[in-house]
Amino acid sequence: QKEVEQNSGPLSVPEGAIASLNCTYSDRGSQSFFWYRQYSGKSPELIMSIYSNGDKEDGRFTAQLNKASQYVSLLIRDSQPSDSATYLCAVKTSYDKVIFGPGTSLSVIP
Amino acid sequence: ETGVTQSPTHLIKTRGQQVTLRCSSQSGHNTVSWYQQALGQGPQFIFQYYREEENGRGNFPPRFSGLQFPNYSSELNVNALELDDSALYLCASSLYYQRNGYTFGSGTRLTVV
Repeated sequence: QKEVEQNSGPLSVPEGAIASLNCTYSDRGSQSFFWYRQYSGKSPELIMSIYSNGDKEDGRFTAQLNKASQYVSLLIRDSQPSDSATYLCAVKTSYDKVIFGPGTSLSVIP
Repeated sequence: ETGVTQSPTHLIKTRGQQVTLRCSSQSGHNTVSWYQQALGQGPQFIFQYYREEENGRGNFPPRFSGLQFPNYSSELNVNALELDDSALYLCASSLYYQRNGYTFGSGTRLTVV
């Protein structure tokens, strides 16, 4: 079992719709969870961090964490073409290393 | 406050050669982590350096090695380059055991021919 798994995508949504990105992780001792956005040819950019069960909202982005299910998600409301990118789920494991998932490619269609 | 800087930005090497990549950590950060990102994949953890010592390593062979200097900057060395080493190499700095996410440098694109 891989440490961090994501929907492989690609995911296509129309402009203005909600994009939903999912991630599961294997290390139950993990305490910190992150979503990164990566545009083609660029380095990953941190967009959300979440540490406690429940929802965390930041503008159009909402991260959701369920530690019992070992599940993290990212919702993007009112999706814009500029949101088209690869979204990487990352988990800081119990041994203090940040492990990334394979990423989900999102395409927002105007 | 300066961010994480990496050099060079692009590099082309021949199979079998050796390469050194450099990373200057963000001001105040004492830990450096290196990642390899092949095209279409997520970043893979290579290793982390703290207090000038390797502090955790991913599934990479010994020909991947590193250094951290007293000013917390770091080098990644790869010996006997293989074609599959072609990737974007990312460096991130942090405070040891901080729970915040990493800030990455802009990366070094290595092409092995």
